[in-house]
Amino acid sequence: AQSVTQLDSQVPVFEEAPVELRCNYSSSVSVYLFWYVQYPNQGLQLLLKYLSGSTLVKGINGFEAEFNKSQTSFHLRKPSVHISDTAEYFCAVSGGYTGFQKLVFGTGTRLLVSP
Amino acid sequence: DTGVSQDPRHKITKRGQNVTFRCDPISEHNRLYWYRQTLGQGPEFLTYFQNEAQLEKSRLLSDRFSAERPKGSFSTLEIQRTEQGDSAMYLCASSLRSQGTSGNTIYFGEGSWLTVV
Repeated sequence: AQSVTQLDSQVPVFEEAPVELRCNYSSSVSVYLFWYVQYPNQGLQLLLKYLSGSTLVKGINGFEAEFNKSQTSFHLRKPSVHISDTAEYFCAVSGGYTGFQKLVFGTGTRLLVSP
Repeated sequence: DTGVSQDPRHKITKRGQNVTFRCDPISEHNRLYWYRQTLGQGPEFLTYFQNEAQLEKSRLLSDRFSAERPKGSFSTLEIQRTEQGDSAMYLCASSLRSQGTSGNTIYFGEGSWLTVV
């Protein structure tokens, strides 16, 4: 079955420092990749997505991610984080053997930004 | 712009009672999804509709769970004889099925929290 692995359950970082949240997926066929952010007690908001084309994808709030097919990775980066970026971040994949009509999520990475 | 809306946002119920959640998708979206999220986990797929047809159900969706989308617009998710293990956030989402890749973006609502006591 298709799966997504988020290697870090929690990432602490100081404000204005760069951050990378790691995501690896398992699939030998074409997939679409997504990053969602979830603030406390709220639903999920789409940060960015890779469907095709350029492997470097830019999203909202200054985030970007790079699709690496050979490494089966889709790591999320931000050059300078803010306190307001503190949230749970989920990587998700659709396509492959599970089909393009639904998402398979990782277990999430909690980003903790401190002053 | 109205996104996906869910009601109620919070529900506390006693074990054994039935509960129903409602979801209104983004107006032009023909696909509607239900996911469940427990504390510390990512959302898990439950079921999805294309228009009024329920096309797929996860094995997570026991026979106590039923989802409907009678007119291809709003959807309801009912849980009968609730158990403490049903405590979770139930997320609704929608998307627009299209030939292009842009149709594969799924937009989520704020979620409905269920606590079974």
